[in-house]
Amino acid sequence: NAGVTQTPKFRILKIGQSMTLQCTQDMNHNYMYWYRQDPGMGLKLIYYSVGAGITDKGEVPNGYNVSRSTTEDFPLRLELAAPSQTSVYFCASSYAPLAGGFHEQYFGPGTRLTVT
Amino acid sequence: KNEVEQSPQNLTAQEGEFITINCSYSVGISALHWLQQHPGGGIVSLFMLSSGKKKHGRLIATINIQEKHSSLHITASHPRDSAVYICAAVLQSYNTDKLIFGTGTRLQVFP
Repeated sequence: NAGVTQTPKFRILKIGQSMTLQCTQDMNHNYMYWYRQDPGMGLKLIYYSVGAGITDKGEVPNGYNVSRSTTEDFPLRLELAAPSQTSVYFCASSYAPLAGGFHEQYFGPGTRLTVT
Repeated sequence: KNEVEQSPQNLTAQEGEFITINCSYSVGISALHWLQQHPGGGIVSLFMLSSGKKKHGRLIATINIQEKHSSLHITASHPRDSAVYICAAVLQSYNTDKLIFGTGTRLQVFP
């Protein structure tokens, strides 16, 4: 299993440009998450999904959009990039059984994004 | 005040030393997650625990739910343990479990 993969690893955007960060997992996990990590701060949840076709906002969703058309893929879209979106972005996935209970999250390698 | 606080923020040790990293939280949780972030940036799950103690190799994690405190111990530390260690509180909500992350403890182990 490749686990959670993210592309690209690095990207520089100009202010106002748009891009999509790709995330794919091959563990058949139902839950997927997008986080951002700013220097000196803990990871913050941007969006999450509990299954294909279902997404919801996290703590810091402004300026981002997501979709979940398949179990495997959970792309994050940045529209009109701003310098405040300069950060490292992590995708994660976990398996949550219907009966409840928490299972550990598996993280992708991250995408380092700079907006100038 | 952050809901999840870690101490110390930075830690330097000599190879072989016993390391303790602390995590305190102010919210009700269902579990606590310890993660390791490598110098290259990748994040790996170490432990998820809701009570007592867990051990994996030289790593031991403990949690005291009443005191809202968890510790991560590393025995016989090695330079390859150098990384940022992150604790995250697991909050159960109606449709998903959300993590609130500490800001991490940067550990450097010198030979």
